[in-house]
Amino acid sequence: NAGVMQNPRHLVRRRGQEARLRCSPMKGHSHVYWYRQLPEEGLKFMVYLQKENIIDESGMPKERFSAEFPKEGPSILRIQQVVRGDSAAYFCASSSGQGFDTQYFGPGTRLTVL
Amino acid sequence: QKEVEQNSGPLSVPEGAIASLNCTYSDRGSQSFFWYRQYSGKSPELIMFIYSNGDKEDGRFTAQLNKASQYVSLLIRDSQPSDSATYLCAVKVGSSNTGKLIFGQGTTLQVKP
Repeated sequence: NAGVMQNPRHLVRRRGQEARLRCSPMKGHSHVYWYRQLPEEGLKFMVYLQKENIIDESGMPKERFSAEFPKEGPSILRIQQVVRGDSAAYFCASSSGQGFDTQYFGPGTRLTVL
Repeated sequence: QKEVEQNSGPLSVPEGAIASLNCTYSDRGSQSFFWYRQYSGKSPELIMFIYSNGDKEDGRFTAQLNKASQYVSLLIRDSQPSDSATYLCAVKVGSSNTGKLIFGQGTTLQVKP
């Protein structure tokens, strides 16, 4: 079984550009979570989505960040007009929504803003 | 007070010893608790989850939960150098089975040969 897939694995952007991070959940999973890990910091929740719906975006910065999980295709985390402080590892996790709803993480996207 | 607290370490133990990793949480309504392992530069990997008071064993790993004390721990028996990593405690807040995880800062474990 394929696990959670994320691409690209590494992304370099200049200040002011846009970054698009993609996440395909595990087969059979319809719940997607995005987390960010800043250098030397812990994992912080950003947003929780199910197909076509944002369930919880309490961790998303108010500006420049958006997320979607369309009916078809991967979930996308979009960062507009990136700044150096956006440099971090962005992890996607997926779950089935059943039982204790264990979340399984993808390999992450390392974003570097020059 | 942070929602989930861990001692950042590093915790250093000799090979073959028992490593004890601790975590406290602030939300009394939390129902499920997770331990993840993260190697440097890699993504978190699930080790165990626990939801009932007491112990839960899986191979060399034992998770312990005490809801009254709001405390969860992870014991690693017969520690190996390959266990050297950062261990993340995560708590699912609220009563719903789905929802975000709140992570502690992680404890760095070093197992010395």
